[in-house]
Amino acid sequence: EIVLTQSPGTLSLSPGERATLSCRASQSVSSTFLAWYQQKPGQAPRLLIYGSSNRATGIPDRFSGSGSGTDFSLTISRLEPEDFAVYYCQRYGSSPAMYTFGQGTNLEIK
Amino acid sequence: QVQLQESGPGLVKPSGTLSLTCAVSGDSINGAYWWGWVRQPPGKGLEWIGEIHHSGGPNYNPSLKSRVTISLDKSKNQFSLILNSLNPADTAVYYCARQGAYNIDSWGQGTLVTVSS
Repeated sequence: EIVLTQSPGTLSLSPGERATLSCRASQSVSSTFLAWYQQKPGQAPRLLIYGSSNRATGIPDRFSGSGSGTDFSLTISRLEPEDFAVYYCQRYGSSPAMYTFGQGTNLEIK
Repeated sequence: QVQLQESGPGLVKPSGTLSLTCAVSGDSINGAYWWGWVRQPPGKGLEWIGEIHHSGGPNYNPSLKSRVTISLDKSKNQFSLILNSLNPADTAVYYCARQGAYNIDSWGQGTLVTVSS
């Protein structure tokens, strides 16, 4: 079973700063199968990035994803107040079909 | 734009059975997408429960497989989750979801289910 480990657990930054969130897989993951979500308190998660680097519909271009193999990252180029939330990475596995999430990174206002 | 709405009891007794339904509007469950369930214990992370397609599945998380059933109701354009042998660790917000190509592109608002006597 592939495990996704996100770091840091909590990231404290100020609006306008750059945020880099990490997602490390215990085994190599196809970039096609790696996604990122944003979740605000009391809300459902929202798809941000799919296929490691493709922005979902309506996602601002300050959000970008990259990586390959076992190391993936989500970057927010310039933080807006509405970006402070919890972020999850997710991997799809096909044998058996299975979605696995990282434990999340809490991006908080410094 | 697809919309998903969960419904079901908010309180279930230990050893009991949870039954939730997800009503889908703006899309047909007979189309290309898979339909699934994800849960989130209070203050914790996300756990995928399982998925179904009108022409395939269901597929379940191995950790829950012995207790889970997911089914489709094509006449009502909705799908359902049954989870049995409940214990307090099953207390969570349960989300229904539309699954795209290897990701989850639409979510219901979620419904809190508490397992308690």
